Amino acid sequence: EPEVTQTPSHQVTQMGQEVILRCVPISNHLYFYWYRQILGQKVEFLVSFYNNEISEKSEIFDDQFSVERPDGSNFTLKIRSTKLEDSAMYFCASSESGVYGYTFGSGTRLTVV
Amino acid sequence: AQKVTQAQTEISVVEKEDVTLDCVYETRDTTYYLFWYKQPPSGELVFLIRRNSFDEQNEISGRYSWNFQKSTSSFNFTITASQVVDSAVYFCALSSNAGNNRKLIWGLGTSLAVNP
Repeated sequence: EPEVTQTPSHQVTQMGQEVILRCVPISNHLYFYWYRQILGQKVEFLVSFYNNEISEKSEIFDDQFSVERPDGSNFTLKIRSTKLEDSAMYFCASSESGVYGYTFGSGTRLTVV
Repeated sequence: AQKVTQAQTEISVVEKEDVTLDCVYETRDTTYYLFWYKQPPSGELVFLIRRNSFDEQNEISGRYSWNFQKSTSSFNFTITASQVVDSAVYFCALSSNAGNNRKLIWGLGTSLAVNP
C-alpha cells in the first residue's frame, strides 16, 4: 500500500536554528498538508498546498514557516528560526481528492532546546 | 465555523467492556466528511473510517461500529469487547467539500485506557 514518508523521524535543534522537515507524498495525490501536534494536545492544521501553491494557512503558520514542493516529489516544511514552542510532532498528509481520505506520514518529532 | 467536540477527555474501562466515544460536529456545509483516527502510544495517526454527509448508514467493522446521526450532528464510535490493544487516543475529524483546501478540523481527542 502506498505510504507517505517523513524524514527525519526525530530532530533535535537549538533555538534560533532553521529546520527543514521532509515529506514524500503519494505520487498521484494532489493535496498536501502539514499538521502539528504539541505533546498531549490535539492535531492542528498548519497549511494546505494544491496546484503548486498554498491554498490555506492557519494563524500558526506565520512568516517563520514556509513550504515547498521543489521537485514534484518532495514536500518540505521549513521553520526559519525555531522557538521552544515549535517543539511538537509534525505530520505530513496527502490526499488524492481532499475528501476521500488522507494518508498521514508517521510524523517528525521536533524538539527545540 | 466548523468545529468538532469530543467531550470525553479520558475514558478507562476494563477489558471486554463495550465503550462509546462521542463526537459532535458543527458545520454549515451541506456536503462534508467525518473521520475517526486512532493514535496509539507510538504516535502515528491510523485511519479508521470516513463517512460522507449523505450516508447515514451505520457501519460495523469487526469490533468497531459507528453511529452517524445527522439530526444531532453526532458521529459516535463504539468498541465492543474492548481489548488492551485498543488503548490509544481517538480523534474525530471533519472536512468539507468546499474550495481547494479541504483541511481536517480535529476534536481534542479521547484517551482510552483499556485495563486487563
